[in-house]
Amino acid sequence: AQSVTQLDSHVSVSEGTPVLLRCNYSSSYSPSLFWYVQHPNKGLQLLLKYTSAATLVKGINGFEAEFKKSETSFHLTKPSAHMSDAAEYFCVVSDRNNDMRFGAGTRLTVKP
Amino acid sequence: DAGITQSPRHKVTETGTPVTLRCHQTENHRYMYWYRQDPGHGLRLIHYSYGVKDTDKGEVSDGYSVSRSKTEDFLLTLESATSSQTSVYFCAISASQGARVNTEAFFGQGTRLTVV
Repeated sequence: AQSVTQLDSHVSVSEGTPVLLRCNYSSSYSPSLFWYVQHPNKGLQLLLKYTSAATLVKGINGFEAEFKKSETSFHLTKPSAHMSDAAEYFCVVSDRNNDMRFGAGTRLTVKP
Repeated sequence: DAGITQSPRHKVTETGTPVTLRCHQTENHRYMYWYRQDPGHGLRLIHYSYGVKDTDKGEVSDGYSVSRSKTEDFLLTLESATSSQTSVYFCAISASQGARVNTEAFFGQGTRLTVV
């Protein structure tokens, strides 16, 4: 089955500095990949998705991610962090049958 | 917001009792999922459904069963609840756009289940 590894359980950045959240995936098929965000005590919101079109994907709130097949990676970036970006972020892989598997999550802290 | 309703939103139950959580959708999406969320584990797939009466196990299916008798409803049952099943449960739905292109999932607000 497909799987996802989020390489950092916690990332801390200062407001206005770049954000990098790392995700590696494993899949036997051409996968679809997603990033979701979860603010405290809230549900999950889709940030962006890759479904075999352009490898650089732009999402909401200034986030983007690049699909690199050779590295089996799908890292999430943002040029300048905002306080409101503090949340938990999940990388998700899906291949056949829409079977969606989550990574363990990365908690992003943004310092003033 | 996608039309997904989970019920109940909060439940406290005793060890050994049966519990059923309901997920109802108004989007007519083909796929429905049940996940549990625990600290340090992200969301783990319990069961999912790819159509009426068509279900399959996820990665943590032991102790859980599901049923989908109608497109709009997906039920998760804990036959005999244990303390290890204390968790937040999320239902999700997803449409289908062909054999190779998967669409994103939309999530309900979650059900907080405590087994004492």
